[in-house]
Amino acid sequence: QSVLTQPPSVSAAPGQKVTISCSGSSSNIGKNYVSWYQQVPGTAPKLLIYDNDERPSGIPDRFSGSKSGTSATLGITGLQTGDEANYYCGTWDSSLSANWVFGGGTKLTVL
Amino acid sequence: QVQLQESGPGLVKSSETLSLTCTVSGGSISSYYWSWIRQPPGEGLEWIGYIYYSGNTFYNPSLKSRVTISVDTSKNQFSLKLRSVTAADTAVYYCARSGRSSPRWFDPWGQGSLVTVSS
Repeated sequence: QSVLTQPPSVSAAPGQKVTISCSGSSSNIGKNYVSWYQQVPGTAPKLLIYDNDERPSGIPDRFSGSKSGTSATLGITGLQTGDEANYYCGTWDSSLSANWVFGGGTKLTVL
Repeated sequence: QVQLQESGPGLVKSSETLSLTCTVSGGSISSYYWSWIRQPPGEGLEWIGYIYYSGNTFYNPSLKSRVTISVDTSKNQFSLKLRSVTAADTAVYYCARSGRSSPRWFDPWGQGSLVTVSS
């Protein structure tokens, strides 16, 4: 059971928009920066969003991040078949057992 | 650009120590945090711990009693040791850079190293 909750799967058609939610608590998302990672099966994860809503150089502006309270959201517009992957959110948890935590991951299917 | 490469045995016997090294190329290991993260087959990501280039470490509480992360700035490498391994430690182990002023993200990642624990 992950500390951060993500939907197991989402799907949408090419060209459409999809959002992936990441729900946490006041000790993690509510207090710290969130980052998002894309992992195509068989490859290493890649950073998509850091500090809640910042994109590293080279990441298209089709990818966006936001945070409100104890939840964060990854948005992907203009879906492409190459976007099919698993997506993970992550943040620091400042509870007594301080720890970096990831969501369980969301499988994106582009129909 | 900075690249990371994990190296070490792909097979470790149960109760023994898993040892991996991450070599950083294309940039200095100085002034950054560096992490180890693992992913059991078919499962999600689990953070193991990080080290600052100066040697300060912080570990996942669930693994703390078995983990040691060290750094060798002269070789631009950092390493992971996980003691008393069991089948539950079978995973792909990734090394990653974790941020400059604080460990707020992971980028880039190494390609990953599959370690299988055998009985």
